[in-house]
Amino acid sequence: AQSVTQPDIHITVSEGASLELRCNYSYGATPYLFWYVQSPGQGLQLLLKYFSGDTLVQGIKGFEAEFKRSQSSFNLRKPSVHWSDAAEYFCAGLLSGGYNKLIFGAGTRLAVHP
Amino acid sequence: EAGVVQSPRYKIIEKKQPVAFWCNPISGHNTLYWYLQNLGQGPELLIRYENEEAVDDSQLPKDRFSAERLKGVDSTLKIQPAELGDSAVYLCASSLVGLANEQFFGPGTRLTVL
Repeated sequence: AQSVTQPDIHITVSEGASLELRCNYSYGATPYLFWYVQSPGQGLQLLLKYFSGDTLVQGIKGFEAEFKRSQSSFNLRKPSVHWSDAAEYFCAGLLSGGYNKLIFGAGTRLAVHP
Repeated sequence: EAGVVQSPRYKIIEKKQPVAFWCNPISGHNTLYWYLQNLGQGPELLIRYENEEAVDDSQLPKDRFSAERLKGVDSTLKIQPAELGDSAVYLCASSLVGLANEQFFGPGTRLTVL
C-alpha cells in the first residue's frame, strides 16, 4: 500500500541551527510529494512540492527538500531556523491511479529554542 | 483574495447530538475536499467534490456522516448522531480541478464531543 512515514514525532532545535525533517515514502511509481506546515489554529500551508526533474526543490520561507529515490526519502531542510518556524510539518504523497488523493504522514512537531 | 473559510471554528456538543460544519472555498476552485485530522495525526480525506459531484467518498462513514455541495460552491459536512470518537479537527480545502493542483486549506473546525 502507498504510504508516507515521518519517523520523528517531535524535534527541538536552537534558533539559528540547521534543520532536517525526515520523510519516507512507499510508492510504486515516481510519486508526487509535498511538504506542508501547520501553525497552531491555522490551516495547512504548502511549503514545496516535487513532481519530477531536479531532485532538489526550493520552497517558501527558505525551505528546501531533496528527493532521493534510492532511499525512498524526501527530507525537508532549512539552513538556519527562526523562532517563527515552530509548527507542525507534514509530508504528503499523491495517491497514483488518477485518484488525486493526498496521503499524509503523521507529522513532526518542531520546537525552536531561543 | 480570501482564503478558504470555515465555520464554526470551535464546536462543543454532547454525544448523540447532530452537528454541521460549513466551508466556502476559494472563488473559482471547482474541487473541494473535507479532511478529518485526529490529534497527533495527519489529515485523512473524507470526501472530494468536483463541482457538485462527490467523486471520492470512499472514506466517509456514511452511517452517520453526510455532505453536500448543492451549487458547486460552498459545502456542508454533517454528523448525526455524533460519537465521542468524532472529536477531531475537520479541515476543508479547495483547488483548481486537475491532477496535483495545490490544495489550499481552511483553518478547520475543532469538534469536541462530550
